[in-house]
Amino acid sequence: GNSVTQMEGPVTLSEEAFLTINCTYTATGYPSLFWYVQYPGEGLQLLLKATKADDKGSNKGFEATYRKETTSFHLEKGSVQVSDSAVYFCALTSNFGNEKLTFGTGTRLTIIP
Amino acid sequence: DAGVIQSPRHEVTEMGQEVTLRCKPISGHDYLFWYRQTMMRGLELLIYFNNNVPIDDSGMPEDRFSAKMPNASFSTLKIQPSEPRDSAVYFCASRPAPRGVYGYTFGSGTRLTVV
Repeated sequence: GNSVTQMEGPVTLSEEAFLTINCTYTATGYPSLFWYVQYPGEGLQLLLKATKADDKGSNKGFEATYRKETTSFHLEKGSVQVSDSAVYFCALTSNFGNEKLTFGTGTRLTIIP
Repeated sequence: DAGVIQSPRHEVTEMGQEVTLRCKPISGHDYLFWYRQTMMRGLELLIYFNNNVPIDDSGMPEDRFSAKMPNASFSTLKIQPSEPRDSAVYFCASRPAPRGVYGYTFGSGTRLTVV
């Protein structure tokens, strides 16, 4: 079945540091890949997505590239801000079969001023 | 659009009581999903609907849980009787077809506490 493995947290960085959160996946065929962000007390918000190999999703300074050869979709940001503190979830959905959105375990990110 | 609307935001109930969680998906979205989030298990898919029809309920923990979608704009998740281990945040999400191209839009969740 499908699965997503995420970098264990929590991650603590200083403001303006470079961020990488690793995500690898196992799936049949060609899944679509997503990053969601959850701020305290809120629901999950779609941060970015990529639907085919070599696509780069980007939003709010965050980027992730769909790497089929390494089955990865790592999240990066060049300069983090305190407001980026949240929990980040990598997820995938198959392009056939079950509609289920499969999530990783989440990575809690804290940015200190 | 107001997004996916869930109610109530918080629910505290006593063990053995019936609990009903409500969700209004985004208009025009064909799919509706119910997820549960706990520290121990993370995000778990409980059930999803396509055009108001339940498609996969394999994630529903046991017979105490039931979900309905009587029309395209409303769904409920019911727990009867509730138990302390049901305490969690329950999220509803919706999305349009086709699969994969669109992300899911989540509601703000219902935080359920069973004492």
